[in-house]
Amino acid sequence: DSGVTQTPKHLITATGQRVTLRCSPRSGDLSVYWYQQSLDQGLQFLIQYYNGEERAKGNILERFSAQQFPDLHSELNLSSLELGDSALYFCASTKGGHNTGELFFGEGSRLTVL
Amino acid sequence: SQQGEEDPQALSIQEGENATMNCSYKTSINNLQWYRQNSGRGLVHLILIRSNEREKHSGRLRVTLDTSKKSSSLLITASRAADTASYFCAPSSMDSSYKLIFGSGTRLLVRP
Repeated sequence: DSGVTQTPKHLITATGQRVTLRCSPRSGDLSVYWYQQSLDQGLQFLIQYYNGEERAKGNILERFSAQQFPDLHSELNLSSLELGDSALYFCASTKGGHNTGELFFGEGSRLTVL
Repeated sequence: SQQGEEDPQALSIQEGENATMNCSYKTSINNLQWYRQNSGRGLVHLILIRSNEREKHSGRLRVTLDTSKKSSSLLITASRAADTASYFCAPSSMDSSYKLIFGSGTRLLVRP
């Protein structure tokens, strides 16, 4: 158990809908990373937050947004969903804001868009 | 930012054999990390090697780093069926110290 909690574990929805994925980082970790992994692919970096502030952005679509709240949990919002958004979405946390330490990954939220 | 490129993309070996996978990157790094992912699960950190280290061991894992060639290798000795997983490297760039980018990984199959 990494200590990172992601909910929901599975989500099935229709095209055009909007969903919110939630991540609770490990106790004491200030940084949260979001990644997308499509079937049998590598991980695409989406966005990183540190202590409530956005620190780095990857190939995140405009239809996607995220935020980190004062209690350090983070949410990834996906809107106007398309079939191609079906993927595993991972959250990872680490203590510092820089990418020099070990990331602890959650078990992911599996999104299926029908 | 940069990502590591793992090679080979897939590797199939017999239980008991050693498995070697490689990672190449493009720019100077602070450190390089290796992760394992069992099918459909979250990534698990295996080992971190700093730019001033050349070799590091952890149990049956041996990681080497050659900064002059901008490459790293992960060796798993005496492999077991439970080592079947995808393995990813993640170089931590000096010039982009927030992102941690993963490549496509090496898929290792250890046949019993």
